[in-house]
Amino acid sequence: DTAVSQTPKYLVTQMGNDKSIKCEQNLGHDTMYWYKQDSKKFLKIMFSYNNKELIINETVPNRFSPKSPDKAHLNLHINSLELGDSAVYFCASKGEHPWNEQFFGPGTRLTVL
Amino acid sequence: AQTVTQSQPEMSVQEAETVTLSCTYDTSESDYYLFWYKQPPSRQMILVIRQEAYKQQNATENRFSVNFQKAAKSFSLKISDSQLGDAAMYFCAYRSAEVQGGSEKLVFGKGTKLTVNP
Repeated sequence: DTAVSQTPKYLVTQMGNDKSIKCEQNLGHDTMYWYKQDSKKFLKIMFSYNNKELIINETVPNRFSPKSPDKAHLNLHINSLELGDSAVYFCASKGEHPWNEQFFGPGTRLTVL
Repeated sequence: AQTVTQSQPEMSVQEAETVTLSCTYDTSESDYYLFWYKQPPSRQMILVIRQEAYKQQNATENRFSVNFQKAAKSFSLKISDSQLGDAAMYFCAYRSAEVQGGSEKLVFGKGTKLTVNP
């Protein structure tokens, strides 16, 4: 079974559209994250949720809205997509103390045309 | 804020040889964790090796080992007996140890693209 899964793996859409990316983890972890990897491969944190509560919001435009219906799911909704939103979005789930290792999903490549 | 620097955008190595990837970081914290992640063309992020700052002993995982120099804030990755499957982007990452409840985040370097030549 896949530990952290994301759907879809690829998403191509037009500028101005609204889209969602879903993430699910079956590891029983309390904390989940969204990271963005830009065209130069740079990875940066966007959000974290702990037990459905928003903890980190790293100055992301408010067109991005994470939603956590339960602690196994953290979805990312993006309104009014812009060309600059094209990137790979990774969901991750945090493991146990002390390492608190983050387990990454396979990524979603978003292309905005 | 913590920063992570990988000064080698690209590296290449011959199959079966050894290569070292550099990573330095900046922090005022005394305890933290350091990681190397591998990202092959499949784009999956795979944890290669990890190190806790207060442990002096360098971590090793099979052909992968680190040279952790806390005073110099350096955390290099050595890959021995390089294999074609080692070709990937390698990211060094930092995480604070002093936070709880979901506020831990990974701070990544910009990555090093490793090519393995047959």
